[in-house]
Amino acid sequence: EPEVTQTPSHQVTQMGQEVILRCVPISNHLYFYWYRQILGQKVEFLVSFYNNEISEKSEIFDDQFSVERPDGSNFTLKIRSTKLEDSAMYFCASSDNFLGRQGYGYTFGSGTRLTVV
Amino acid sequence: AQSVTQLDSHVSVSEGTPVLLRCNYSSSYSPSLFWYVQHPNKGLQLLLKYTSAATLVKGINGFEAEFKKSETSFHLTKPSAHMSDAAEYFCVVKSGGYNKLIFGAGTRLAVHP
Repeated sequence: EPEVTQTPSHQVTQMGQEVILRCVPISNHLYFYWYRQILGQKVEFLVSFYNNEISEKSEIFDDQFSVERPDGSNFTLKIRSTKLEDSAMYFCASSDNFLGRQGYGYTFGSGTRLTVV
Repeated sequence: AQSVTQLDSHVSVSEGTPVLLRCNYSSSYSPSLFWYVQHPNKGLQLLLKYTSAATLVKGINGFEAEFKKSETSFHLTKPSAHMSDAAEYFCVVKSGGYNKLIFGAGTRLAVHP
């Protein structure tokens, strides 16, 4: 079964450093997403990406965050200057369809646990 | 705006007994609803989804959920719990015309022998 692959599985970084989280979505999917889950809290939507541009972003997704699909297979989340509160599990997801109420399910990756020290 | 409320943060059952994880939703129109499971240190796996077809939805691993519009509920059930069902379960609603998923707070299911 096709998978969404995320690397690395764990990353520790110092506060103020830049990090890039990488994802390889399912190959025929067109929509890509990042979610995060702070320990003990809900999974929260960060951003959706379609046709090489952001289609929606949450309030969390401020100027410190950016996404990119650099080469047609990878999908990356960059945090420019990490803060302690960015420590979380970050999930990448992809889907093959947008059709409103039909609600096609996402496929999520296994996540990258980011720890900012 | 769409939202989901999971009524129990923890549920504990004995192996072989039924499982009921409760979820209520709020939506201004017919929602798309999902249940996801997260095993320890693993990603989010889709259990089942409701997208306005049959109101009783069957998923993987013997789970099913019933969409009840009159009660705005989408409870997850399984007739007989297995030790491997111990995990965190998330009720999720798709946000309107966008492709954004809104997660409930999660229910941690413990299964004891």
